[in-house]
Amino acid sequence: GQNIDQPTEMTATEGAIVQINCTYQTSGFNGLFWYQQHAGEAPTFLSYNVLDGLEEKGRFSSFLSRSKGYSYLLLKELQMKDSASYLCAVRNPLGGSYIPTFGRGTSLIVHP
Amino acid sequence: DGGITQSPKYLFRKEGQNVTLSCEQNLNHDAMYWYRQDPGQGLRLIYYSQIVNDFQKGDIAEGYSVSREKKESFPLTVTSAQKNPTAFYLCASNPVGSNGELFFGEGSRLTVL
Repeated sequence: GQNIDQPTEMTATEGAIVQINCTYQTSGFNGLFWYQQHAGEAPTFLSYNVLDGLEEKGRFSSFLSRSKGYSYLLLKELQMKDSASYLCAVRNPLGGSYIPTFGRGTSLIVHP
Repeated sequence: DGGITQSPKYLFRKEGQNVTLSCEQNLNHDAMYWYRQDPGQGLRLIYYSQIVNDFQKGDIAEGYSVSREKKESFPLTVTSAQKNPTAFYLCASNPVGSNGELFFGEGSRLTVL
């Protein structure tokens, strides 16, 4: 089985930095994803980590520690348009394949 | 342009009626998925298919049915057996053997009156 935990909601100020944490417990692990989802829209891919360490992509970075079952998404220089839900997803074995399983998402509110 | 098309975007149905949501992709992806999302919740897997004419149940398959007669198409039927069908439904696809990144359609919002 799998269990993925994220904070339900976070608030931050425009221009600041915010870190969204994700912890997971899984019977098998084959990668962790972060997606961004604006209200009423489909999720869009942000990052993928399969090895320990930090992956940086512009204003967004994602970190993974497999031994701790822990990841975070770091957003720098926050903009109002970053207000969205951020979904952590872990790739788990299911029926001979690896299928992404999602956490409940973290709703980020960026205020001026 | 390549992508995934879901239709309809909004759908209203009376309780007890079956409804079919369409999902078509022209990305030549082998795997396709259906997820359900409720307010304030993450995505829960309903069904997935790795190859034509084969599909597997996800975590919440009860009350749903699918078919995969063509590589491009993976329709989802919400049956009257689904006790709480009002939700946002997302179809996704990816190539088998990839890192697993999902490519999503725009979603279908089903409201049962």
